[in-house]
Amino acid sequence: AQSVAQPEDQVNVAEGNPLTVKCTYSVSGNPYLFWYVQYPNRGLQFLLKYITGDNLVKGSYGFEAEFNKSQTSFHLKKPSALVSDSALYFCAVRDMSWGDYKLSFGAGTTVTVRA
Amino acid sequence: GAGVSQSPSNKVTEKGKDVELRCDPISGHTALYWYRQSLGQGLEFLIYFQGNSAPDKSGLPSDRFSAERTGGSVSTLTIQRTQQEDSAVYLCASSAPSGTSYSRYAGELFFGEGSRLTVL
Repeated sequence: AQSVAQPEDQVNVAEGNPLTVKCTYSVSGNPYLFWYVQYPNRGLQFLLKYITGDNLVKGSYGFEAEFNKSQTSFHLKKPSALVSDSALYFCAVRDMSWGDYKLSFGAGTTVTVRA
Repeated sequence: GAGVSQSPSNKVTEKGKDVELRCDPISGHTALYWYRQSLGQGLEFLIYFQGNSAPDKSGLPSDRFSAERTGGSVSTLTIQRTQQEDSAVYLCASSAPSGTSYSRYAGELFFGEGSRLTVL
């Protein structure tokens, strides 16, 4: 079984401040980890992923995420948030050790960046 | 097309009617997924197609829901005798086959813009 937890329903930050969106996961094998963003009335857009290799992965729009195996976390970060980053963010996991193809999503975190 | 295409983008129907939602995946993508996103909720897995293999229907919430994929491309999600609790955004996604030519996109799902279903 695989699952994802996003402990914060909402994150509010001021423009220019660092942004962190938390994610923890649970898989029985090796994880593929993803972050997606959803703007109002739109589909999900891919931000970044961790497959293997460096624990720090860089993605679109200045976002990055750090894979921490011991803490089973994959927090999304951006050093300086923009108002345009306001959106709904989803963390997702796939257990590739068993060839599991389902992508299991967290409940999402709404990010609001105030000017 | 360049991306995953879904239609209709919006559908309003009366309780008890049947609806069909269509998904046209990215050309060459062998895997196709349907997810449901209810208001304020995360994404709920519904069904998965991979090539000519039998689909994984384990996420379908009831026997009123069914889906097919013709010719390994276009997929249709059908909801019979719709209920108000079926109101949600239905998202389709596709992914590239594994292999060196697609390794850059390993595991990544490409989503359509969704079909918003409202059951009155």
